[in-house]
Amino acid sequence: EDQVTQSPEALRLQEGESSSLNCSYTVSGLRGLFWYRQDPGKGPEFLFTLYSAGEEKEKERLKATLTKKESFLHITAPKPEDSATYLCAVTSHKAAGNKLTFGGGTRVLVKP
Amino acid sequence: GAVVSQHPSWVICKSGTSVKIECRSLDFQATTMFWYRQFPKQSLMLMATSNEGSKATYEQGVEKDKFLINHASLTLSTLTVTSAHPEDSSFYICSAPGQGADTQYFGPGTRLTVL
Repeated sequence: EDQVTQSPEALRLQEGESSSLNCSYTVSGLRGLFWYRQDPGKGPEFLFTLYSAGEEKEKERLKATLTKKESFLHITAPKPEDSATYLCAVTSHKAAGNKLTFGGGTRVLVKP
Repeated sequence: GAVVSQHPSWVICKSGTSVKIECRSLDFQATTMFWYRQFPKQSLMLMATSNEGSKATYEQGVEKDKFLINHASLTLSTLTVTSAHPEDSSFYICSAPGQGADTQYFGPGTRLTVL
């Protein structure tokens, strides 16, 4: 069974204080690892897809990296508008269709 | 990215009534859509996979007779919560794979409150 664990559960940062979120996964044949941002009362917003170890992707202040066991989402010099819950999910080659398995999420609060 | 819409965005109903939630892919076709449920401060839990032209596939522990799914066309899936009870109150979110990609795109969610 695919499993995804995110840490920490919550993160409080000062504006400009860089940090990293962790996503550890166990999956039979990784097809893709996904990062989403979710604001309160809204659906998840797609950020990145990573497919193979060593892959990196960047978008503004966010950078996602992938190894064979985990992924990191690095937030560089965060701003208050980066406050959100960040969700990590995986899909495997064995999963039917594009079925996603989600981690518990990391709630990030960036204080000005 | 691909756009997925949901309607309504929120609904309040009385216990025992049924509620229908629509999920539409606006600029692409989706033979498969997914329905999730999310409780406060928790992550998304997959309820079922909606398949166009065939029966939905339900996750273990999800009552198929209570949560009726109909994938009416390549751009529309509906979730009907039948005989709703207060414990069904939750945030329901649908998603669909973008065309030609593994990435799923999510709708804005529907907040259901059962009184």
